[in-house]
Amino acid sequence: QKEVEQDPGPLSVPEGAIVSLNCTYSNSAFQYFMWYRQYSRKGPELLMYTYSSGNKEDGRFTAQVDKSSKYISLFIRDSQPSDSATYLCAMGKAAGNKLTFGGGTRVLVKP
Amino acid sequence: GAVVSQHPSWVICKSGTSVKIECRSLDFQATTMFWYRQFPKQSLMLMATSNEGSKATYEQGVEKDKFLINHASLTLSTLTVTSAHPEDSSFYICSARDPGLAGGDSRDTQYFGPGTRLTVL
Repeated sequence: QKEVEQDPGPLSVPEGAIVSLNCTYSNSAFQYFMWYRQYSRKGPELLMYTYSSGNKEDGRFTAQVDKSSKYISLFIRDSQPSDSATYLCAMGKAAGNKLTFGGGTRVLVKP
Repeated sequence: GAVVSQHPSWVICKSGTSVKIECRSLDFQATTMFWYRQFPKQSLMLMATSNEGSKATYEQGVEKDKFLINHASLTLSTLTVTSAHPEDSSFYICSARDPGLAGGDSRDTQYFGPGTRLTVL
């Protein structure tokens, strides 16, 4: 069993819809949680960074962490075709330590 | 935001040659950098952790004599693929740890370079 599980998708939504992404993890030692967006043939781009349970909002993006359930989510409101990419969750056990990545979810936002 | 560059962005080489990839943090000092490889439609696989001024820590299964890592300064780490073979063809991505601001909103997370596509003929 992988430490971090993420549905590979693809997840196809119409423009303007809410995109809902999630990851589950098995190791309670994870304390830091990140979401990255990766376009084809590009490096991952940091979207959200959280280190506590609860919600964090940044523009159209909301990240949720539920440490008791070992479950994290990313919501993208008012999705745009430019949001079409692969979204990777990542987790760390301590600040600055190596990250463990989910497999990534491919998202397609159709105009 | 923190910016990380990589050079070259793509490289094609003959089997048996060595290739060096550079990773630079442009607007912050990175005491720790990480090297990943990524195959098509797969997630990132960590190869090694590079700390400035010390030897890199390699993940299990990664040949340290084949993938030479040097982190000579706080803004530069290099990965050299020695005696490259076609199976080494991949997308290599580095990341750099930004310690963030003292106090306040300390990000202390990793920022990625744009990646280097290596093709070995």
